Amino acid sequence: DTGVSQDPRHKITKRGQNVTFRCDPISEHNRLYWYRQTLGQGPEFLTYFQNEAQLEKSRLLSDRFSAERPKGSFSTLEIQRTEQGDSAMYLCASSLVIPYEQYFGPGTRLTVT
Amino acid sequence: GESVGLHLPTLSVQEGDNSIINCAYSNSASDYFIWYKQESGKGPQFIIDIRSNMDKRQGQRVTVLLNKTVKHLSLQIAATQPGDSAVYFCAPGAGNMLTFGGGTRLMVKP
Repeated sequence: DTGVSQDPRHKITKRGQNVTFRCDPISEHNRLYWYRQTLGQGPEFLTYFQNEAQLEKSRLLSDRFSAERPKGSFSTLEIQRTEQGDSAMYLCASSLVIPYEQYFGPGTRLTVT
Repeated sequence: GESVGLHLPTLSVQEGDNSIINCAYSNSASDYFIWYKQESGKGPQFIIDIRSNMDKRQGQRVTVLLNKTVKHLSLQIAATQPGDSAVYFCAPGAGNMLTFGGGTRLMVKP
């Protein structure tokens, strides 16, 4: 257990529905990252926050995806109008500014039917 | 952009033997490198990291070697155990950004 928690662990939804995932980072970590991982691939960066500011977003992050970290602690990732291609493991990681090591949570597995 | 490659997608070793997992990277601006272990259904687990100003770092049963000249690093696991069976990722980092390759699956035969 790294100290990063994610909820829910599994989510099954129908195409077109909205889903929201939550990540609670290690408490003293001010950086929080979201990744997406599909079967047989490494994690792909989606976005990251330093405190409450969203500093970078990947081109993978379509307009249907939005992430927030309102108080600089937990974060949410929302996917609107889900598509079957959104099926993946969504991973959250956190780190300090220095050192950079990112610690990952257990992930939320999303299945869109 | 960054590309990360792993030489062997699957590595099968006998329990008790040493394992070596290789990784090539392309971004010369990478200033640190992290190895992660991922078991089925779990998130990546931090194993060990190495900074670009080092060429070797040792941990508990693991050693990382970095060759910046050829942009290559390796993870050596001593006395491999069944619990080491997992997918291993190297992740070069530049600033606060990590780039993951496709991973190497390590299978430990009893």
